[in-house]
Amino acid sequence: QQQVKQSPQSLIVQKGGISIINCAYENTAFDYFPWYQQFPGKGPALLIAIRPDVSEKKEGRFTISFNKSAKQFSLHIMDSQPGDSATYFCAAMAGTASKLTFGTGTRLQVTL
Amino acid sequence: GAVVSQHPSRVICKSGTSVKIECRSLDFQATTMFWYRQFPKQSLMLMATSNEGSKATYEQGVEKDKFLINHASLTLSTLTVTSAHPEDSSFYICSASMGGDYNEQFFGPGTRLTVL
Repeated sequence: QQQVKQSPQSLIVQKGGISIINCAYENTAFDYFPWYQQFPGKGPALLIAIRPDVSEKKEGRFTISFNKSAKQFSLHIMDSQPGDSATYFCAAMAGTASKLTFGTGTRLQVTL
Repeated sequence: GAVVSQHPSRVICKSGTSVKIECRSLDFQATTMFWYRQFPKQSLMLMATSNEGSKATYEQGVEKDKFLINHASLTLSTLTVTSAHPEDSSFYICSASMGGDYNEQFFGPGTRLTVL
């Protein structure tokens, strides 16, 4: 019940295209859903996060879509750039200042 | 934004020795710090949660006597890998939370441990 399932495992997108990564969860107590970007040899950095009271949140080229009834959420990267090539993790948390449950990660490669 | 540092960034040690990794919140007070381990091409796995001044809470399967965690102040937590073995080689990452109503965890840059 604590798992967060993430897909796809890897993704290749052309420059300027849209990258879409999906996550699904089971635990209905989760109420905070962040996305992290990680470059090789570095710690993860928060990209964008959403709470279940909204269905979409946009920050620049990054958008989270959230479907509470389906217990799914996704990250859309618009106008993907080679600099976006990294591993992306979705995560979920129940309550405040609590532990994060991470998805398995998606390796994104943006080609020229 | 809030900054978390880790020291060292990279360490190589011999089997059987102990290694200490420091995690510091540089510009905020962290009531809670988390320690993760990440193997190559895998996700982050939470090892333990530590609150300032109290004992750490370890995740199932994590040996508390092997991975000693001390959260002595609101800006510093340490992870000591005791009697390290090659299978402990991994990327160790800490994160810090301000607590209260804040959800966000701020991650450190990670420490690459190699045990020979």
